[in-house]
Amino acid sequence: NAGVTQTPKFQVLKTGQSMTLQCAQDMNHEYMSWYRQDPGMGLRLIHYSVGAGITDQGEVPNGYNVSRSTTEDFPLRLLSAAPSQTSVYFCASSRGNSNQPQHFGDGTRLSIL
Amino acid sequence: KQEVTQIPAALSVPEGENLVLNCSFTDSAIYNLQWFRQDPGKGLTSLLLIQSSQREQTSGRLNASLDKSSGRSTLYIAASQPGDSATYLCAGPKAAGNKLTFGGGTRVLVKP
Repeated sequence: NAGVTQTPKFQVLKTGQSMTLQCAQDMNHEYMSWYRQDPGMGLRLIHYSVGAGITDQGEVPNGYNVSRSTTEDFPLRLLSAAPSQTSVYFCASSRGNSNQPQHFGDGTRLSIL
Repeated sequence: KQEVTQIPAALSVPEGENLVLNCSFTDSAIYNLQWFRQDPGKGLTSLLLIQSSQREQTSGRLNASLDKSSGRSTLYIAASQPGDSATYLCAGPKAAGNKLTFGGGTRVLVKP
């Protein structure tokens, strides 16, 4: 049981480039979300999904897109990378009931030059 | 908007001492409160989840309490070990749902 798998683990981009961070879970969880973690800012919610075909914005959605075509996958797209998007990105999943614990991936460390 | 605060930001204790980690939140209408552990360069591991109707949860050496009226949660780690060294974060959703608001974390060092 792999849990939540994020790829890649590390990535360096140039300003203006686009890329997709992958997230997959094998627990059949309805709820998936993306957070970014920055020093002094803690973890902040970017986008989330309550099920396939349904996505919504979190606290810091600007510059990011998401889609949820399957229950298992929830990719995060950076449209035009900016240095302010340098961060560690975490994907999480849980059962739809909010009284269930959330499971996190190991993160993607992204640097924008 | 709910704010979640963890003080102190860092804590150092000798091995064997009990750890007490604090988490405070501004909105008593939280749905539940979850404690996580994060090791350097790693993701978050869920330790305990306390539902809003509960007062505490226990798992092994860990015990977490929740007092909604005072807006506080406390994580107790008994008989600390060097392997307990990590950053501990608390988080909770404001309403029914899974959107978590995180505290800034407490970095713990347990010295042998």
